[in-house]
Amino acid sequence: GENVEQHPSTLSVQEGDSAVIKCTYSDSASNYFPWYKQELGKGPQLIIDIRSNVGEKKDQRIAVTLNKTAKHFSLHITETQPEDSAVYFCAARSSPRGGGADGLTFGKGTHLIIQP
Amino acid sequence: DADVTQTPRNRITKTGKRIMLECSQTKGHDRMYWYRQDPGLGLRLIYYSFDVKDINKGEISDGYSVSRQAQAKFSLSLESAIPNQTALYFCATSDGIYYPGQPQHFGDGTRLSIL
Repeated sequence: GENVEQHPSTLSVQEGDSAVIKCTYSDSASNYFPWYKQELGKGPQLIIDIRSNVGEKKDQRIAVTLNKTAKHFSLHITETQPEDSAVYFCAARSSPRGGGADGLTFGKGTHLIIQP
Repeated sequence: DADVTQTPRNRITKTGKRIMLECSQTKGHDRMYWYRQDPGLGLRLIYYSFDVKDINKGEISDGYSVSRQAQAKFSLSLESAIPNQTALYFCATSDGIYYPGQPQHFGDGTRLSIL
């Protein structure tokens, strides 16, 4: 099955600086890579996603890059703000036709702390 | 109102009890999922359902069962709860369009403690 590794587990940055979170995956058949933000007491909220036919996607201060050859993808947050503080999860979805379950395999999460 | 609603939000119970967690959605999605979240382990898939007649096991289905009562309702049961099933449980939904992947939308979770 799919295995997703996420680094770092904790990331502290100064307000206004950029933050980068990296993930690697194992299943070359994986075709969909979402990123979720989870605030305390809430469920994960999708913030950006990328499909395997695209190398980069951007939405205002958030961007995701995908390197299929190396099997890794990254989340980039620029001009960080206090409200960006949360736990971020990467995930990968394997194709059920390849024998995988139709669910997401998550990384273990990154606690992002924005220092004022 | 939330698109994906989980009940109860919190539950404390004893070892050996039968427990049902419920999930309902107003998004009109065909696919529904149950995940478990443990500290430091991320979320892991328990069961998923493509439609009312299609139920599939996920990564960690042992000790759990599910029922898809209608397109909008998907419940998770612990037949005989044990302490290591103490966790945060999330329900999620996604559109039935298959390829190449659709966003999953999560409820706010049920915090389950088994003593």
